[in-house]
Amino acid sequence: AQSVTQLDSQVPVFEEAPVELRCNYSSSVSVYLFWYVQYPNQGLQLLLKYLSGSTLVKGINGFEAEFNKSQTSFHLRKPSVHISDTAEYFCAVTPRGGGADGLTFGKGTHLIIQP
Amino acid sequence: GAGVSQSPSNKVTEKGKDVELRCDPISGHTALYWYRQSLGQGLEFLIYFQGNSAPDKSGLPSDRFSAERTGGSVSTLTIQRTQQEDSAVYLCASSLGAGGPHEQFFGPGTRLTVL
Repeated sequence: AQSVTQLDSQVPVFEEAPVELRCNYSSSVSVYLFWYVQYPNQGLQLLLKYLSGSTLVKGINGFEAEFNKSQTSFHLRKPSVHISDTAEYFCAVTPRGGGADGLTFGKGTHLIIQP
Repeated sequence: GAGVSQSPSNKVTEKGKDVELRCDPISGHTALYWYRQSLGQGLEFLIYFQGNSAPDKSGLPSDRFSAERTGGSVSTLTIQRTQQEDSAVYLCASSLGAGGPHEQFFGPGTRLTVL
């Protein structure tokens, strides 16, 4: 079984400031890692994913995340946020074996951009 | 092209009634997933279909929940004798193939309210 922990339920940050949203996971097997974003009154959209290779992955809207196997973390970062980044961000994992397993999500982090 | 569609977008029902939620995946996507998003539990994986294969039902929260997928395309999630704790947003997702590396595309969800 897998579990995902997003320690911060809410992160307020000023516009144009950098931000880091933390994600830690636990799993007895190797996993793929994802970040999804949910804008107000919209569905979930994939931001980025780590499958293999370089541990630094770049996604849409200027976001990036770094996979750290020893710390079992996959933190999301953006060097300069915009008002339009206000949303709920979800970290998720799924086993590499695939098949019948869906995504296991964290509880989400609400990113609040202050002008 | 068209994304994942779900109907109805909102459903209000009385405790004890049965409800059916529908999901139309993206054309050509063989894998289909159901999730539940609620305030208390966050995003939970419910069930997964791959083509016409029998699904793994172990993630369904109780035997009042069932799902089927006809012709490897449209899926219906049925909740019998609804309870207030079933109130949540039910999300459907589809992907090109089974398992981890394939991006899951999410629908807008059905918001279920049980009075």
